[in-house]
Amino acid sequence: DIQLTQSPSFLSASVGDRVTITCRASQGITSYLAWYQQKPGKAPKRLIFAASTLQSGVPSRFSGSGSGTEFTLTISSLQPEDFATYYCQQLFNYPITFGQGTRLEIK
Amino acid sequence: EVQLVESGGGLVQPGGSLRLSCAASGFTFSDHHMDWVRQAPGKGLEWVARSKNRANSFSAEYAASVKGRFTISRDDSQTSLYLQVNSLKTEDTAVYYCARSSSTRDFDYWGQGTLVTVSS
Repeated sequence: DIQLTQSPSFLSASVGDRVTITCRASQGITSYLAWYQQKPGKAPKRLIFAASTLQSGVPSRFSGSGSGTEFTLTISSLQPEDFATYYCQQLFNYPITFGQGTRLEIK
Repeated sequence: EVQLVESGGGLVQPGGSLRLSCAASGFTFSDHHMDWVRQAPGKGLEWVARSKNRANSFSAEYAASVKGRFTISRDDSQTSLYLQVNSLKTEDTAVYYCARSSSTRDFDYWGQGTLVTVSS
């Protein structure tokens, strides 16, 4: 199975900050990686697919990059509505796996 | 508008069974692979199973943790996805989400989830 390790697992930041979340895969997954945002009590929402393609309707302050085994999700200027948990997901092979999540909280 | 609406969750004793359903609308259901993902209370996301589309012979894939106990199926005429969950364990307690697989294999739409609680 492909393991995805996100870092950090917890992040405290302020409105306006630039933050980066890293997702490392235990083996190469080319660009078969997606990022999701989840708020308490809600279903996850796709932000980024194919490692770097922004989902329609998602603000441009979100961006994704990487290929192979290392990927990043960057939020260029945090807004109050961005405080949530973020997950990466690999779709390279089965079983489909998720990272453990990064909880982003207000400092 | 794409909609996915899950139902069928509830409280069940260990060893029991349930059938979860996901009613889909707003898109050509038969074109898409469909998935179940679960989330235990306070935990992360865990992929459970995939039902592939007609072009892929409706074949299925499962997570090792549920293989042999859970069965995914679909009825394209009813635009519905199902998950038969048998031999339930306390660790199967979770919110179960139905999700649509996009052309890039990831999940572009999700339902609101249905809670399965396994407890005596």
